[in-house]
Amino acid sequence: DIQMTQSPASLSASLGETVTIECRASEDIYSNLAWYQQKPGNSPQLLIYDANSLADGVPSRFSGSGSGTQYSLKINSLQSEDVASYFCQQYNNYLTFGSGTKLEIK
Amino acid sequence: QVQLKESGPGLVQPSQTLSLTCTVSGFSLTSYSVHWVRQHSGKSLEWMGRMWSDGDTSYNSAFTSRLSISRDTSKSQVFLKMNSLQTEDTGTYYCARLYGGIMDYWGQGVMVTVSS
Repeated sequence: DIQMTQSPASLSASLGETVTIECRASEDIYSNLAWYQQKPGNSPQLLIYDANSLADGVPSRFSGSGSGTQYSLKINSLQSEDVASYFCQQYNNYLTFGSGTKLEIK
Repeated sequence: QVQLKESGPGLVQPSQTLSLTCTVSGFSLTSYSVHWVRQHSGKSLEWMGRMWSDGDTSYNSAFTSRLSISRDTSKSQVFLKMNSLQTEDTGTYYCARLYGGIMDYWGQGVMVTVSS
């Protein structure tokens, strides 16, 4: 099974800052990676797919990058509505999620 | 528009069987696969299994021995049955539509507590 190691587990940043969340796969997943945002009390929502493609309706301050086993999600100009948990998910071989990053505003 | 909605009992006794239903609208189960994902309170997401558009199924090896997924296309419903429930099975269960490997639509989730 492919393991996804996500870091950090939690993150606190100020409004307007840029934050980055990392995900490392246990083997090459060929950019078959998605990022989801889950706001408190809600179900996850798709942000990024194919490592760097923005899902419909997602603000352009979100971006994804990476290849091979290393991937990242960047949020520019942090807004209050970005308070949420973020999960990576590989779909190269079955499906596996990262452990999540809880983002708070400082 | 695309919608998925989970339903089922909120409380299940230990060692009993969990039965959940995912009712979908806005798309056909013969065109898209539907997945079940579990989330322990405040924790990560765990893929459980899927119903393919052709009716085939596949499961996370962690659940294979006690999980069964089926469907009724005439009612646009996908079913999850998991037996031998334990307290660690407590959590929120989601169904989600898969499109090219990604879960583009999710249900609201159903919270299940395993307790006597």
